[in-house]
Amino acid sequence: GQNIDQPTEMTATEGAIVQINCTYQTSGFNGLFWYQQHAGEAPTFLSYNVLDGLEEKGRFSSFLSRSKGYSYLLLKELQMKDSASYLCAVRSGGYQKVTFGTGTKLQVIP
Amino acid sequence: ETGVTQTPRHLVMGMTNKKSLKCEQHLGHNAMYWYKQSAKKPLELMFVYNFKEQTENNSVPSRFSPECPNSSHLFLHLHTLQPEDSALYLCASSQDHQDGYTFGSGTRLTVV
Repeated sequence: GQNIDQPTEMTATEGAIVQINCTYQTSGFNGLFWYQQHAGEAPTFLSYNVLDGLEEKGRFSSFLSRSKGYSYLLLKELQMKDSASYLCAVRSGGYQKVTFGTGTKLQVIP
Repeated sequence: ETGVTQTPRHLVMGMTNKKSLKCEQHLGHNAMYWYKQSAKKPLELMFVYNFKEQTENNSVPSRFSPECPNSSHLFLHLHTLQPEDSALYLCASSQDHQDGYTFGSGTRLTVV
């Protein structure tokens, strides 16, 4: 089976930096995704990591360490609109099997 | 229209009713998915279709019946549901399973 862990909630200040961690245990790892989901809306794709290292995309960066079963999403220069849930998802055991974590609800405060 | 479109946005149905959820994607993707999202639970994969062929059924009860007539359309037929089936049902599509998914806005289902 698979196990994906991420914090339930986080709070950060506008303009600051926040790191959302995700740890996973799986066999046949095939990549890790991060999605953003605003309340009442569909998840939207943020990033995809399959190799170790940091992927930067504007204010958002995602890091992966396959040996540690660990990833983080880094959000810089936080804005109020970044308040949302951030979902970590792992693909394993074949391309079609993507398992999601429960998500981290981030609240950005002034 | 662009992206992934789901209808209806909201649905209330009795346990003896039969209804269908519809999903349409205009992205030229060849894989489509149904996910269930319940409160405080992770997204649960239900079904995967690749080039209109079902390739994954994640132990979903038979009261949920998917249909994929072509690679752009996906349906989820519902019958004799239970109150615990109330959830947000999300459709998604991707190209070759290697890219991130594009999700629809979901159907908020309430079973009474």
